[in-house]
Amino acid sequence: EADIYQTPRYLVIGTGKKITLECSQTMGHDKMYWYQQDPGMELHLIHYSYGVNSTEKGDLSSESTVSRIRTEHFPLTLESARPSHTSQYLCASSEYGGVDQPQHFGDGTRLSIL
Amino acid sequence: DAKTTQPNSMESNEEEPVHLPCNHSTISGTDYIHWYRQLPSQGPEYVIHGLTSNVNNRMASLAIAEDRKSSTLILHRATLRDAAVYYCILSNQAGTALIFGKGTTLSVSS
Repeated sequence: EADIYQTPRYLVIGTGKKITLECSQTMGHDKMYWYQQDPGMELHLIHYSYGVNSTEKGDLSSESTVSRIRTEHFPLTLESARPSHTSQYLCASSEYGGVDQPQHFGDGTRLSIL
Repeated sequence: DAKTTQPNSMESNEEEPVHLPCNHSTISGTDYIHWYRQLPSQGPEYVIHGLTSNVNNRMASLAIAEDRKSSTLILHRATLRDAAVYYCILSNQAGTALIFGKGTTLSVSS
């Protein structure tokens, strides 16, 4: 069974704060992803990584940034949160290879910016 | 990027088979067809994927049309725990990620 963890599950915070959403996986997967999902809507890829020191922007433009210093860890940071950043953020990982490799998802972080 | 078309919602009764259709008329020769599902308040869960041949696993079966322009996810005996949003997905043009649509919301009644 896949083990990928996201913290916090829920975060309500004021405008202008710096936020870091944590994502860790224990499967040794090289590829990791961040998706953004508004309620009732589809997922949009915002960042991905092929491995340590690799980060790429996804299909949806985002003001967030990511880093990949360790294989198991792929945090997402918002330097100055705004109400428009309110959404659910989902992290996923997969074994290295083509996009046919199954992705394993965490349960997400529901972010609300006041 | 290749797109998929799915019905917004479907209903099923418990212990009956469910056939979830998906159209992907612009699929390219190298696109895999993926199915994921998302239960309420959870992240998506991988269900099955295939390229040309029909596929079976412990969760479901995937039937792919000969021209690959459509596919069907088959749940052999629906349970209440199968109520979820089911996504039929192709990859993006760069082949780097999956393109999620709005999916089909499956309701299962006892």
